[in-house]
Amino acid sequence: GAVVSQHPSWVICKSGTSVKIECRSLDFQATTMFWYRQFPKQSLMLMATSNEGSKATYEQGVEKDKFLINHASLTLSTLTVTSAHPEDSSFYICSASTQGVAQHFGDGTRLSIL
Amino acid sequence: AQTVTQSQPEMSVQEAETVTLSCTYDTSESDYYLFWYKQPPSRQMILVIRQEAYKQQNATENRFSVNFQKAAKSFSLKISDSQLGDAAMYFCAYRWGGATNKLIFGTGTLLAVQP
Repeated sequence: GAVVSQHPSWVICKSGTSVKIECRSLDFQATTMFWYRQFPKQSLMLMATSNEGSKATYEQGVEKDKFLINHASLTLSTLTVTSAHPEDSSFYICSASTQGVAQHFGDGTRLSIL
Repeated sequence: AQTVTQSQPEMSVQEAETVTLSCTYDTSESDYYLFWYKQPPSRQMILVIRQEAYKQQNATENRFSVNFQKAAKSFSLKISDSQLGDAAMYFCAYRWGGATNKLIFGTGTLLAVQP
């Protein structure tokens, strides 16, 4: 149980385009979803917390207009990187939780901007 | 603000031996949770073990156990009978016990297992 699916697993796109990453909880309802960014050989950096039906809460230093987060249902959250540039290239991971303690992680998305 | 520190960037252990990964944290809260996550080269985050701060007994999951010292704010992970599949990055994480379940991660320890 507690499976989180993240799609796509790898995406390459041209600079200036927008990219959408989906995070789905497959067998449970996720009241809260989290989006992380991870640089090579570094830890996970929390970007934002989203609760179903409300606006996401962004961490300090994360551009809200660059990283659009939507949590329209209890099983789906999306992260859209708008007007992506090479410096946005990174590994993005989502996680989902119910009202319990644990977070359940997706397998991540490798984003490469050319 | 809560912080999590892992002072060992890299560790190495011989197969079948025991290794201990260190983690310290700083918090003024009394109700919180601590976790160890494993991230293999596939980069999937795998929960290894968790500890509730209110529990005095150290958590154990098969070959994995923790040494939770609340007063010292220390939370080390012991891996017994190390296996090649244990090679991964290990992250210590803290979660406040309140409504938000935001995780704060340490910088990680890269564990190599030598055959």
